[in-house]
Amino acid sequence: DIQMTQSPSSVSASVGDRVTITCRASEDIGNWLAWYQQRAGKAPKLLIYRASSLQGGVSSRFSGAGSGTDFTLTINSLQPDDFATYYCQKGNSFPLTFGGGTKVEI
Amino acid sequence: EVQLVESGEGLVQPGGSLKLSCVASGFTFSAYAMMWVRQAPGKGLEWVSAIRDSGWNTYYAESVRGRFTVSRDNSKSTLFLEMDSLTGEDTAIYYCVRGCGGDCYWGLFWGQGTSVTVSS
Repeated sequence: DIQMTQSPSSVSASVGDRVTITCRASEDIGNWLAWYQQRAGKAPKLLIYRASSLQGGVSSRFSGAGSGTDFTLTINSLQPDDFATYYCQKGNSFPLTFGGGTKVEI
Repeated sequence: EVQLVESGEGLVQPGGSLKLSCVASGFTFSAYAMMWVRQAPGKGLEWVSAIRDSGWNTYYAESVRGRFTVSRDNSKSTLFLEMDSLTGEDTAIYYCVRGCGGDCYWGLFWGQGTSVTVSS
């Protein structure tokens, strides 16, 4: 099975910062990648699908890039609501493996 | 408004069984793929299972294959997850997730989750 590896596992940032999170697939998955945000105690929320397509209603401060095996999620001008854990997920074939998560902390 | 309401939470002994349900509303249930995703306490997300809109195609994580069975009743807009031979590693919050189409599995909508604890 394809493995999904996120880095870093946590990052400290301040309001207004730009943060970039990386997700690496162990094999080529094309652009079949999604990013989710999970706030503490809440269900995850889809942010990005097909590597770079912004889900409706999601702030344009979030952007995704990459294809093949290397992907990034960038959050511009961090806001207080953005402090959360972010997960990537492959979508090209089953199993739909998630990355280990990246916690964005103040 | 899309709503996914899970039920069936509980405490079960190792080796036991439990059945989760997810009642959907606010969309045409029969037109969408559905999934179960779980999260063990303090851990990350783990995809568990998926089922196509028709119910004819089902998919499982290796960790649950042969023990868990996903099904759906489109006439009742309800998704199920039957869990057998449960172990402590199955302890988690289980989320019901709606996909983006009949055979499209981006997790567009999520339920609030239901808790499963496996312990003696």
